[in-house]
Amino acid sequence: QSALTQPASVSGSPGQSITISCTGTSSDVGGYNYVSWYQQHPGKAPKLMIFDVSKRPSGVSNRFSGSKSGNTASLTISGLQAEDEADYYCSSYTSSITWVFGGGTKLTVL
Amino acid sequence: QVQLVQSGAEVRKPGASVKISCKASGDILTGYYLHWVRQAPGQGLEWMGRINPNSGGTNYAQNFQGRVTMTRDTSISTAYMELRRLRSDDTAVYYCARTYSSGGSDVWGQGTTVTVSS
Repeated sequence: QSALTQPASVSGSPGQSITISCTGTSSDVGGYNYVSWYQQHPGKAPKLMIFDVSKRPSGVSNRFSGSKSGNTASLTISGLQAEDEADYYCSSYTSSITWVFGGGTKLTVL
Repeated sequence: QVQLVQSGAEVRKPGASVKISCKASGDILTGYYLHWVRQAPGQGLEWMGRINPNSGGTNYAQNFQGRVTMTRDTSISTAYMELRRLRSDDTAVYYCARTYSSGGSDVWGQGTTVTVSS
């Protein structure tokens, strides 16, 4: 199972919005509404930000939103803040009854 | 407090095995799966497999088939992940994570560092 494709890096200024893409195939992202997004700060465990494509866990800011079109899922962060600077990973269920992660995207807040 | 507490750091020689534990605080795994994920130094997340704490049923990533075994002991709310025939590229931080059936992992252990070196 190949890793999902994410941009290596994205950047934005405080207050702006950014979108991170996550591209897979019809056997994973495109075939199921089981895409999750994680935020990871250096030296810390990942934190769940979005699950089931667009659902937010309790306690996660509504500045974070998720969507999907075809084989590509997206995470949008609006009103960018300094503390949003982190690595972001997408994950998807696959037809093999396994999960696969994206390669990760480093978000820099300028 | 909802938490997963993992066992401490391990150092192994190539070819050896390692078994990591993940203890849940109470009955927090009912209705969930327990996934194992690893992260090599400076690299991304890699899904290893999952276990159903209730039934003991497992699913493993193809990359680890034949080398990994995930088990659980419901009497002490603890899950285990054993990785055999270790190689230097198995050096990583290993995480356990409570996970919805659809895959969202909402509670993570603190991570266990495994170093494989001769």
